Amino acid sequence: DARVTQTPRHKVTEMGQEVTMRCQPILGHNTVFWYRQTMMQGLELLAYFRNRAPLDDSGMPKDRFSAEMPDATLATLKIQPSEPRDSAVYFCASGLILRTDPYEQYFGPGTRLTVT
Amino acid sequence: QKEVEQDPGPLSVPEGAIVSLNCTYSNSAFQYFMWYRQYSRKGPELLMYTYSSGNKEDGRFTAQVDKSSKYISLFIRDSQPSDSATYLCAMSPFSGGYNKLIFGAGTRLAVHP
Repeated sequence: DARVTQTPRHKVTEMGQEVTMRCQPILGHNTVFWYRQTMMQGLELLAYFRNRAPLDDSGMPKDRFSAEMPDATLATLKIQPSEPRDSAVYFCASGLILRTDPYEQYFGPGTRLTVT
Repeated sequence: QKEVEQDPGPLSVPEGAIVSLNCTYSNSAFQYFMWYRQYSRKGPELLMYTYSSGNKEDGRFTAQVDKSSKYISLFIRDSQPSDSATYLCAMSPFSGGYNKLIFGAGTRLAVHP
């Protein structure tokens, strides 16, 4: 049963510390998405990769957030320095986008981040 | 004003009830409409999707799209306690390739025995 995996599942850190979240997309998928979910804002797209290239990071605060995909099996989201307002659940999703059809995004279980 | 509006609830119904969940949207370019279900402490999972206007049925679930009113609905018949979850609508313009999905805030549903 193929699924998206994310680590860590929970992270508590102090303000100012670096946070790294990791995602392993489903094998064969060509797209990876990073989302942030909060009660106030709901689910927000932070970044999107296609064939490992970043195509859309307009939703990501550029000064402290960075997203990379060093290889096809790993995507990372870093926050440096972290702030209390970054507390949220961060989801990674992957999908197979073809030229003609709509596509499904498969979500991981999320990383619950708390910054104190 | 958000592009997609969804009442966050919570909505509490007895087992066996018919549930109606709704979203409104403002972007007339949206043609691809999805419903995701999210259980507590889990990631969203795709429940149903429809393209353009009309109805789609899958078991106890029916998705409806009314593009003239910019209004979409998800109906759950014979609701079960296992349907208790948050339901998020999502939508995008249809074309091949990548289109950013815009999500609603989600409606929390509780079905009690």
